[in-house]
Amino acid sequence: DSGVTQTPKHLITATGQRVTLRCSPRSGDLSVYWYQQSLDQGLQFLIQYYNGEERAKGNILERFSAQQFPDLHSELNLSSLELGDSALYFCASSWGSLDTQYFGPGTRLTVL
Amino acid sequence: ELKVEQNPLFLSMQEGKNYTIYCNYSTTSDRLYWYRQDPGKSLESLFVLLSNGAVKQEGRLMASLDTKARLSTLHITAAVHDLSATYFCAVAYIQGAQKLVFGQGTRLTINP
Repeated sequence: DSGVTQTPKHLITATGQRVTLRCSPRSGDLSVYWYQQSLDQGLQFLIQYYNGEERAKGNILERFSAQQFPDLHSELNLSSLELGDSALYFCASSWGSLDTQYFGPGTRLTVL
Repeated sequence: ELKVEQNPLFLSMQEGKNYTIYCNYSTTSDRLYWYRQDPGKSLESLFVLLSNGAVKQEGRLMASLDTKARLSTLHITAAVHDLSATYFCAVAYIQGAQKLVFGQGTRLTINP
């Protein structure tokens, strides 16, 4: 158990819908990262927040957005969902931006 | 753009044998991570390698980093069934903040 929690574990929704994934980092960690894992794209970095501020962006679609709240939990919002958005979404956290990232259990999103 | 390639992608081996997984990357980095993922599970941090020539060992796993060759290896000694998993290397790309670029993963199956 890494200490990073994610909810929900599974999410099934329809195309065109909007969902929110939630992540709570390890106690004391200031950085939160979001990743997408799919069979065709592998593990892709989406976005990083550090102490409430966006710090780095990766291959994140415009339909996706994230934020980190004052209590350091983070949410990833996915809108106008498409079939291709079906994937495992991982959150990771680290104390600082250059430290080892610890991954949460993931949210499996299925878009029908 | 940083590219990370692992080989082999699939590896089936017998218990008691030794083998090596290779991780090549395309641009300069002096920070590399190895993670393990069990089916349907999250990623577990194994090693972080921070400098040229770094070597880390934990049990039957040993990781090394050659930054000049842009190559890391994960060596498995006297494999046991419990080591069956997918192993990922991730190379840090530092541009303000640390982004991790993951290899495709090596699915390792160890047969009794």
